[in-house]
Amino acid sequence: EPEVTQTPSHQVTQMGQEVILRCVPISNHLYFYWYRQILGQKVEFLVSFYNNEISEKSEIFDDQFSVERPDGSNFTLKIRSTKLEDSAMYFCASRGTGYNSPLHFGNGTRLTVT
Amino acid sequence: QKEVEQNSGPLSVPEGAIASLNCTYSDRGSQSFFWYRQYSGKSPELIMFIYSNGDKEDGRFTAQLNKASQYVSLLIRDSQPSDSATYLCAVNMKTSYDKVIFGPGTSLSVIP
Repeated sequence: EPEVTQTPSHQVTQMGQEVILRCVPISNHLYFYWYRQILGQKVEFLVSFYNNEISEKSEIFDDQFSVERPDGSNFTLKIRSTKLEDSAMYFCASRGTGYNSPLHFGNGTRLTVT
Repeated sequence: QKEVEQNSGPLSVPEGAIASLNCTYSDRGSQSFFWYRQYSGKSPELIMFIYSNGDKEDGRFTAQLNKASQYVSLLIRDSQPSDSATYLCAVNMKTSYDKVIFGPGTSLSVIP
């Protein structure tokens, strides 16, 4: 069964550094998402992406964040200058066409900012 | 009002019993509703989705939707210890097809 893959599984970085989290969505999916989950808290929507542009973003997704689909397979989340509070699990998800199609999640990247 | 609400639990049920998980949402026009299961440290895993009023059954799981009451629930029959996890309700907001919002989750513990 096709799956969403995320790399790396764990990233440790120092405060102020830039990080790029990578995702390979399911190949025939057209809608891509990033979510964040701080330890012990809810899964929070960050951004959705369709047709090479952001379609929705949350209040969390400020100027420090950006997303890109640099080629036909990868989907990346960049955090420009990490803060301690960016420490969380970041999940990538994708979905096919159709309003009722569910999100399929990758295994996540645990980001630790020190 | 929060967009998607769930009882945080923990909900404890004995093995073999029915577990009932509830979710309410604020966006009246929302069309699609999803239940995910999340084990500690893992990613959400889809259990089932529902978009029509009424019941939808899949094995031991039944999702129930009442759009008038803005309420969706998940029943787990013959609960097993392996069902112990956090159950996440997710709603596709009417305002945007591209925004799926998760509730805080209900922690379920099935006692052998």
